[in-house]
Amino acid sequence: EAGVAQSPRYKIIEKRQSVAFWCNPISGHATLYWYQQILGQGPKLLIQFQNNGVVDDSQLPKDRFSAERLKGVDSTLKIQPAKLEDSAVYLCASSLTPGARDTQYFGPGTRLTVL
Amino acid sequence: AQKVTQAQTEISVVEKEDVTLDCVYETRDTTYYLFWYKQPPSGELVFLIRRNSFDEQNEISGRYSWNFQKSTSSFNFTITASQVVDSAVYFCALSERGGGADGLTFGKGTHLIIQP
Repeated sequence: EAGVAQSPRYKIIEKRQSVAFWCNPISGHATLYWYQQILGQGPKLLIQFQNNGVVDDSQLPKDRFSAERLKGVDSTLKIQPAKLEDSAVYLCASSLTPGARDTQYFGPGTRLTVL
Repeated sequence: AQKVTQAQTEISVVEKEDVTLDCVYETRDTTYYLFWYKQPPSGELVFLIRRNSFDEQNEISGRYSWNFQKSTSSFNFTITASQVVDSAVYFCALSERGGGADGLTFGKGTHLIIQP
């Protein structure tokens, strides 16, 4: 079974530029999550989708971050404009159903460097 | 609010030694889930175990074992006869059930170094 796919794996941009990350969850997984992992810390949840609806975006900096999952499968996370403190690894995860009844499986992440 | 504390920032042991990674959590819910993930140098988070709050039985999987104690709000992880391949950052995480929102709250991780 294919795992969670993410692209690109690495991205370097200048501050104030825009960037987008893509995630394809495990086939059949209804729930998709985006996490931000700053160097030396544990991942922090940014947003959770169930199918194409947002379940939790309480920790998403909505002035610059946006995310969508239009057809309930793939998802895109965008940052516009980027700041230096956005340098981190952005992890996508998916689970079969929400409510912690199923395990979250993580993709390889996208490492973003903002100069 | 939920919180996970992994007080050990880094642990270094010699191969074949046993090592225990500590995890202490805080939650106001009676129903919650606890997880351990491994993050090797490649960066991908690898699922190790999930435990719900009603199941306090300890679990053993090969060289890995987990001790869940609700009385002390701890979920510790022990590796027996450690190997170099066990070198990684290990994260403990907590999830509460709140209307379908079940994003994980992670600790800061413990960097485990197994020296040959």
